[in-house]
Amino acid sequence: EADIYQTPRYLVIGTGKKITLECSQTMGHDKMYWYQQDPGMELHLIHYSYGVNSTEKGDLSSESTVSRIRTEHFPLTLESARPSHTSQYLCASSELGPIENQYFGPGTRLLVL
Amino acid sequence: QQPVQSPQAVILREGEDAVINCSSSKALYSVHWYRQKHGEAPVFLMILLKGGEQKGHEKISASFNEKKQQSSLYLTASQLSYSGTYFCGTEKGGSNYKLTFGKGTLLTVNP
Repeated sequence: EADIYQTPRYLVIGTGKKITLECSQTMGHDKMYWYQQDPGMELHLIHYSYGVNSTEKGDLSSESTVSRIRTEHFPLTLESARPSHTSQYLCASSELGPIENQYFGPGTRLLVL
Repeated sequence: QQPVQSPQAVILREGEDAVINCSSSKALYSVHWYRQKHGEAPVFLMILLKGGEQKGHEKISASFNEKKQQSSLYLTASQLSYSGTYFCGTEKGGSNYKLTFGKGTLLTVNP
């Protein structure tokens, strides 16, 4: 069973606030990902990492930033939240390799007022 | 390049079969299938590799046609638990193992 956690699960915050979405996994996976998903829509890759000190931007441009200081931890930060950032953010991880499946966390639903 | 899924939605009665297709205009290395139930995270179903064989998962199987750059997901004798949105994720090879997901197919299985 996948052990990947995200906190908070739900967040309502005002415009201009700085927020950090937490993602942790206990499987020792090297690869980690952040996806953005609006209700009923597809998943858009916004950031990914191959390991410690490795971060790359995904296919969808995002104003968020990420860091990977520890293998198990991949937080996403928005310096100044805006209503356009309202969405669901899903974290995932996988083993390093071309054909490894991804394990998804439960997601964080963000509402920016 | 985002893969194209069809149909966008399908409604079945329990016990009926369905096929979901995933097509790409680019050469693919692998196709991944995930199912997402409402309000939940996507769950991995299976991976189809270029040159690989048809895979199976319970009564769900899939194939990968390299010539057409298309994968099909077959749901046989559908159960209520099969309801959800099915996403295919494609990987081009040499793309650093990133997946690009299609828009999804909403499957509803009714009693």
